[in-house]
Amino acid sequence: EAGVVQSPRYKIIEKKQPVAFWCNPISGHNTLYWYLQNLGQGPELLIRYENEEAVDDSQLPKDRFSAERLKGVDSTLKIQPAELGDSAVYLCASSKGQGLYEQYFGPGTRLTVT
Amino acid sequence: RKEVEQDPGPFNVPEGATVAFNCTYSNSASQSFFWYRQDCRKEPKLLMSVYSSGNEDGRFTAQLNRASQYISLLIRDSKLSDSATYLCVGDTGGFKTIFGAGTRLFVKA
Repeated sequence: EAGVVQSPRYKIIEKKQPVAFWCNPISGHNTLYWYLQNLGQGPELLIRYENEEAVDDSQLPKDRFSAERLKGVDSTLKIQPAELGDSAVYLCASSKGQGLYEQYFGPGTRLTVT
Repeated sequence: RKEVEQDPGPFNVPEGATVAFNCTYSNSASQSFFWYRQDCRKEPKLLMSVYSSGNEDGRFTAQLNRASQYISLLIRDSKLSDSATYLCVGDTGGFKTIFGAGTRLFVKA
């Protein structure tokens, strides 16, 4: 079974530029998560989708971050404009359902904003 | 107080040692808990779920103490390959999962 796929794996951009990350979850997984992870910290949830509906985006900085999950499969996370403090690893995870189900992570996108 | 708290360590133990980590959670309504393992510059990988009755998988044992609101992970006969960061995860009772900051383990030869 293929795992969670993310691209790109690495991205270096200048501040104020836009950037987008893509995620393809495990087939059949209805729930998709985007996390941000800083060095030495655990993943912090940005947004959670149940199929195509964003059921929890309370931690998403909506002034510059946006996400979509068209057709309830692939998802894209966008930052515009990027700031220096956005440098982090952006992780996508998927699970069969919410809460009680294990989450499986993709390899992440390491973003560096200069 | 953070919703899920862990001792960051690092824990430095010799091969063959037994080591235990605790993780406390603040929301008494939390229902599901997990332990994840994360190697340096890699994604978190599920280690084991934590059941109310406790569960064991080879050298790893996870326990849940609802009265004191903590979960634990016990690693017996530590291997060099166990060196990693161990993340505990709890839900907030509303399907939102919160990760701890992780406990770093170094197993030495």
